[in-house]
Amino acid sequence: DSGVTQTPKHLITATGQRVTLRCSPRSGDLSVYWYQQSLDQGLQFLIHYYNGEERAKGNILERFSAQQFPDLHSELNLSSLELGDSALYFCASSLRALTDTQYFGPGTRLTVL
Amino acid sequence: AQSVTQLDSQVPVFEEAPVELRCNYSSSVSVYLFWYVQYPNQGLQLLLKYLSGSTLVKGINGFEAEFNKSQTSFHLRKPSVHISDTAEYFCAVSDWQGAQKLVFGQGTRLTINP
Repeated sequence: DSGVTQTPKHLITATGQRVTLRCSPRSGDLSVYWYQQSLDQGLQFLIHYYNGEERAKGNILERFSAQQFPDLHSELNLSSLELGDSALYFCASSLRALTDTQYFGPGTRLTVL
Repeated sequence: AQSVTQLDSQVPVFEEAPVELRCNYSSSVSVYLFWYVQYPNQGLQLLLKYLSGSTLVKGINGFEAEFNKSQTSFHLRKPSVHISDTAEYFCAVSDWQGAQKLVFGQGTRLTINP
């Protein structure tokens, strides 16, 4: 158990819908990272937050957004969902910086029908 | 921008045999390098990382990797594998500029046969 929790574990929804994925980092960790893992794209970095502020963006679509709240949990919002958004979404946390070990959650499997 | 190439998508090995998983990276600046393991139906776990200093890095579960700047490689090795090492292994790179993001390779599926 990494100490990072993600909810829900599975999510099935329809095209055009909007979903919210939630992540609680390890106690004491200030950084939260979101990743997308799919068969065709592999593992891709989406976005990084540090203590409530966005620090880096990767290949995140405009239909996707994220935020980190004062209690340091984070949410990833996916809207106008398409079939191609079906993937495993991971959250990871680290103490502060990239050089600190990232601890990954178990992921949320999103299926868009 | 950085990129990572994992040269083998699948590596079958017999139990107790040695294994090497190959990783090459491309970057115009100095980098940090990582190896992660993903067991079935689980998230990723850090095996080891190279930040600076000694080019031979030792990690968990008996794995080690060697950073070779001239060949831009960071191959992962284990002298004797176990059935429990069956998993997907990912090499990742990030630059020193503080971009705060990891770029992953496509992964290598390591299968250990008895």
